[in-house]
Amino acid sequence: EVQLVESGGGLVKPGGSLRLSCAASGFTLSNAWMSWVRQAPGKGLEWVGRIRSKTDGGTTDYAAPVKGRFTISRDDSKNTLYLQLNSLKTEDTALYYCTTATVFAYAFDIWGQGTMVTVSS
Amino acid sequence: DIVMTQTPLSLSVTPGQPASISCKSSQSLLHSDGKTYLYWYLQKPGQSPQLLIYAVSSRFSGVPDRFSGSGSGTDFTLKISRVEAEDVGVYYCMQGIHLPFTFGPGTKVDIK
Repeated sequence: EVQLVESGGGLVKPGGSLRLSCAASGFTLSNAWMSWVRQAPGKGLEWVGRIRSKTDGGTTDYAAPVKGRFTISRDDSKNTLYLQLNSLKTEDTALYYCTTATVFAYAFDIWGQGTMVTVSS
Repeated sequence: DIVMTQTPLSLSVTPGQPASISCKSSQSLLHSDGKTYLYWYLQKPGQSPQLLIYAVSSRFSGVPDRFSGSGSGTDFTLKISRVEAEDVGVYYCMQGIHLPFTFGPGTKVDIK
């Protein structure tokens, strides 16, 4: 079964850091361009950023609100994607999903269950 | 950034009746490769989003044929021919032509 499982969320103080993980199973992460999407409580979906496959350069792109504070990385040997969150703000409080597209470019058809990040003093 | 707008923002539908959601983008989603990068997702209560439609009108595997997508350029529509109880949730359109990818605000569909 194709699956993405996020972990690493929790409660952190403003200015703090957290690293989220997304473990893939049932498919080879190394071939995939992966994205993170977040959803603040009771709000809509917001794309956070993406990482290309290593064969396509492994480079990253970020949404403006997180650029310079968040970093996406991947360890294909562990079939795992990461999101490093630094300098966290209260507005970063959200459920963070990892996702990928397997059928059509950027049509995200595989989603994890999400991991909750709460930034509060 | 491309702004995605959806109307209506909420919809209450009688089972068996049709429903329609409009999505408009602030820029054309037609790429020079001839493809249009517009998608529809459904987020059922308490669940992760799920892909319904990609490239305006292609149904994703397993999506019932009562769901259909149409449109071009900047104006798009998702139609449900006969709403069923399992269709409740929030529907989002999303554009994938320009970074950052952006979602519409969502349309909440419930059953009367």
